[in-house]
Amino acid sequence: EDQVTQSPEALRLQEGESSSLNCSYTVSGLRGLFWYRQDPGKGPEFLFTLYSAGEEKEKERLKATLTKKESFLHITAPKPEDSATYLCAVQAGTNAGKSTFGDGTTLTVKP
Amino acid sequence: NAGVMQNPRHLVRRRGQEARLRCSPMKGHSHVYWYRQLPEEGLKFMVYLQKENIIDESGMPKERFSAEFPKEGPSILRIQQVVRGDSAAYFCASSPGTGLTEAFFGQGTRLTVV
Repeated sequence: EDQVTQSPEALRLQEGESSSLNCSYTVSGLRGLFWYRQDPGKGPEFLFTLYSAGEEKEKERLKATLTKKESFLHITAPKPEDSATYLCAVQAGTNAGKSTFGDGTTLTVKP
Repeated sequence: NAGVMQNPRHLVRRRGQEARLRCSPMKGHSHVYWYRQLPEEGLKFMVYLQKENIIDESGMPKERFSAEFPKEGPSILRIQQVVRGDSAAYFCASSPGTGLTEAFFGQGTRLTVV
């Protein structure tokens, strides 16, 4: 069974204080890993797809990286508007279309 | 270009009633996925549908839950004889095709069973 574990569960940062969120996964035949952002009361918003170890993607203050066992979401000089829950998900094997999600990391950035 | 549309946004049902949740995918998307998010938990896969076909329903509870995606109209997630444990946020996502593609989510339907 595919498993995704995100850490920490919650992270509080001061504005401008860079940090990283971790997503560890155990799957049989990773096809891709996704990062989403979810604001309270809303649906997940797609951020990145990573396909293979060594790949990196960037968007504004966010950078996602992938190894064979985990992915990191690096947040550089965060702002209060980056406060949200960040979700990691994987698609693996022959489970076309089915994503397995982690429980998320709730990020709070204080001004 | 409208995104994934779900309705209603909020639904209150008494125990034993039926709940019907609707999802219209993004234009050009023919694949629909339903996920459930219980309070303080992550998203759990329920079912994957294409037009008139259920592709993967491995996450659906065996009883009371059903889903369809007809040739015309929205996808429907139906919960019969709701119980308090069904209270959750139900999210629909859509994607344009098979293979590895990111899915785009709707805003969800928050079901409360009283």
